[in-house]
Amino acid sequence: GAVVSQHPSRVICKSGTSVKIECRSLDFQATTMFWYRQFPKQSLMLMATSNEGSKATYEQGVEKDKFLINHASLTLSTLTVTSAHPEDSSFYICSARRVGAFFGQGTRLTVV
Amino acid sequence: QQQVKQSPQSLIVQKGGISIINCAYENTAFDYFPWYQQFPGKGPALLIAIRPDVSEKKEGRFTISFNKSAKQFSLHIMDSQPGDSATYFCAASKETSGSRLTFGEGTQLTVNP
Repeated sequence: GAVVSQHPSRVICKSGTSVKIECRSLDFQATTMFWYRQFPKQSLMLMATSNEGSKATYEQGVEKDKFLINHASLTLSTLTVTSAHPEDSSFYICSARRVGAFFGQGTRLTVV
Repeated sequence: QQQVKQSPQSLIVQKGGISIINCAYENTAFDYFPWYQQFPGKGPALLIAIRPDVSEKKEGRFTISFNKSAKQFSLHIMDSQPGDSATYFCAASKETSGSRLTFGEGTQLTVNP
């Protein structure tokens, strides 16, 4: 199956700093990628849709200035959590558009 | 608005038994119905998927049953194994939305040895 690689798998950062998460499609070109957030024992919540070469589309209630998404190439999308706060601590998961939407391994972000 | 409802929230099955998870959807425009398996600390992995032109799809021990008129679909895990213990999510999408998935709430499956 298609492989989507997400990095880092875990990150701890201090409040007020920014953290960048990368999502790569390894064996196919992904014009569209999706970013999700998942709280413990809950379902995945779509944050934004990332389109190569254009601005991301954010879901209602998601702060686009806080969660910066860049999709500069057909194989890479990045999510930057800016000025992180403890409430941003969560599990972030990307997926790449293909029939079935293949997911990355997820990134556990802890803001202290 | 929750467009895909999943039940049960949790399920305990004995080894060798059948695990059944159900989902119901509202949007008749959905035309792709995947199931995902997620282990703690990992991203979801595609397990099996079905389109509404068939009523059943089987891959190994995993079977999806699809009832278009009732807008329901279910996952059956035959001969359940302890290694199947995970959280399962159903999802639905419209092909025109480009894999934008609407997820169910998830079912935590525990298979006892």
